[in-house]
Amino acid sequence: GNSVTQMEGPVTLSEEAFLTINCTYTATGYPSLFWYVQYPGEGLQLLLKATKADDKGSNKGFEATYRKETTSFHLEKGSVQVSDSAVYFCALGGDYKLSFGAGTTVTVRA
Amino acid sequence: NAGVTQTPKFRILKIGQSMTLQCTQDMNHNYMYWYRQDPGMGLKLIYYSVGAGITDKGEVPNGYNVSRSTTEDFPLRLELAAPSQTSVYFCASSPGTSGRSEQFFGPGTRLTVL
Repeated sequence: GNSVTQMEGPVTLSEEAFLTINCTYTATGYPSLFWYVQYPGEGLQLLLKATKADDKGSNKGFEATYRKETTSFHLEKGSVQVSDSAVYFCALGGDYKLSFGAGTTVTVRA
Repeated sequence: NAGVTQTPKFRILKIGQSMTLQCTQDMNHNYMYWYRQDPGMGLKLIYYSVGAGITDKGEVPNGYNVSRSTTEDFPLRLELAAPSQTSVYFCASSPGTSGRSEQFFGPGTRLTVL
């Protein structure tokens, strides 16, 4: 079945540091891949997505590239801000549901 | 356009009590979902619906029931609350299948069963 494994946290960074969160997946077929973000006290919201191999999703300075050869979709941001403190979820889109990773808590210190 | 709304925001139940978590969306989405979020476990799908009158089980349906009489509403029912149902519950909707479409999430209901 479909599954997602993402880097365990928590991750603590200083402002302007480089952030990377690893995500690998197991799937049949050609799923879409997503990164969702959850800010404190809120529901999840879509950060970016990629629907086929070699696609790069990007939003708010975050990027992730769909790598079929390594079954990965790692999230990166070159210079984080305090406002990027949140929980980040990697997800894989199947026929009727999303399969989520466990989430990575990121804290950015000023 | 309110998106996905959930009520209540917080609730404390005693073991054996029942309650209904409400979920409404105003985006005319066909697909709706209920998830539970436990610490360090990501989100687990409880039930989903592909349209009014159609529901199906997800990964963790035991102890829950749903109905979908309208496109807008997708309530989740807990009949006999147990401590294992202490969690944060999220409702979501999407315009198409999860393989391609973004899901839109409500703000969540934090439920504690004592």
